[in-house]
Amino acid sequence: DTGVSQDPRHKITKRGQNVTFRCDPISEHNRLYWYRQTLGQGPEFLTYFQNEAQLEKSRLLSDRFSAERPKGSFSTLEIQRTEQGDSAMYLCASSLSDRGGQPQHFGDGTRLSIL
Amino acid sequence: QKEVEQDPGPLSVPEGAIVSLNCTYSNSAFQYFMWYRQYSRKGPELLMYTYSSGNKEDGRFTAQVDKSSKYISLFIRDSQPSDSATYLCAMSAIDDMRFGAGTRLTVKP
Repeated sequence: DTGVSQDPRHKITKRGQNVTFRCDPISEHNRLYWYRQTLGQGPEFLTYFQNEAQLEKSRLLSDRFSAERPKGSFSTLEIQRTEQGDSAMYLCASSLSDRGGQPQHFGDGTRLSIL
Repeated sequence: QKEVEQDPGPLSVPEGAIVSLNCTYSNSAFQYFMWYRQYSRKGPELLMYTYSSGNKEDGRFTAQVDKSSKYISLFIRDSQPSDSATYLCAMSAIDDMRFGAGTRLTVKP
């Protein structure tokens, strides 16, 4: 399977714990995006990388959220001190090119449940 | 007012019907328009991608963009039960993409 891969598929954790999600993009894609999706809503943009550079992070939901893509391949999204409101689906997408507007291809997401 | 408005439905049609899904938007900077299909507990799957105003056809699917009215549509011909899913419109200017809330479609056999 050469699509976008996300791990884990489901994470259950207690409030206050830190969680980290991983995304492996389509191999030739140099852009990688993170989104959050809550029930009944479309995905909400969080941040994106071009290669290893994080080009937009002002839309991360709070300073508890951070993302890395250290070698320009896979990426991680970390949420520190999780809260009930963080329960959602976290989606990763990737696209070709360093020009905007290229279609993004999504993984199947990580579903986060906060107890 | 949201940047992208999409009727959430739900929409229920009989098999074989023509389905029309629509979105309006307010940001005239949007240049790229997409439709995604999302099955339950799965990620969005790209269906259609358009850049300019006009129609684009792919099999049973036709995407229509009217930039002057800030209105996009997706038509599904000869709908099948396997088309039952949530359909998301999406659009972008350069870097980030904005989604509609999604329309939930059920096609009944």
